[in-house]
Amino acid sequence: RKEVEQDPGPFNVPEGATVAFNCTYSNSASQSFFWYRQDCRKEPKLLMSVYSSGNEDGRFTAQLNRASQYISLHIRDSKLSDSATYLCVVNMMNTGNQFYFGTGTSLTVIP
Amino acid sequence: DAGVIQSPRHEVTEMGQEVTLRCKPISGHNSLFWYRQTMMRGLELLIYFNNNVPIDDSGMPEDRFSAKMPNASFSTLKIQPSEPRDSAVYFCASSFAPYEQYFGPGTRLTVT
Repeated sequence: RKEVEQDPGPFNVPEGATVAFNCTYSNSASQSFFWYRQDCRKEPKLLMSVYSSGNEDGRFTAQLNRASQYISLHIRDSKLSDSATYLCVVNMMNTGNQFYFGTGTSLTVIP
Repeated sequence: DAGVIQSPRHEVTEMGQEVTLRCKPISGHNSLFWYRQTMMRGLELLIYFNNNVPIDDSGMPEDRFSAKMPNASFSTLKIQPSEPRDSAVYFCASSFAPYEQYFGPGTRLTVT
């Protein structure tokens, strides 16, 4: 079983829509959680860190459910510029600061 | 902040040649990671260091790959001899454990 699993999509949504991505992780000892955004042929860039039950930054909201071991990312009022691949990342300090990446969810926002 | 610096940004080489990729992590970070990304296999962790010490190199494909971190501000990933299947984008990332990683812009390697 993979440490982190994501629905690869693709998600194709119209501008202005709300979209949600889910991510599950297998190790209950996971301590830190992140969402990264990766544009084509670019490096992954940090979108949001999730250290408690959730985090909100403008149109982006991340939620963490430790009991069910999943993290979600919600994007409100989607913009064309939100089109990218979104990576779920989990960190486990008990394995020496190992980061585990999901395979990514592809989002295309359509005019 | 300068961010993570990688060089070269692009490398084209012939099969059998030695390739050295370089990375300068963000100052103050104590962990450094080397990743490889291809369309087929996605993002793969090759090796990571904590406080300049290699912790997990299980992702290194084979003995042709080696990585060093002689000090807190510099790391290299070497491929010798290179093969066409090594063609990929190689990313270096750093973090201050256990907080978020920051990626460099990557080195796009093409082995012909």
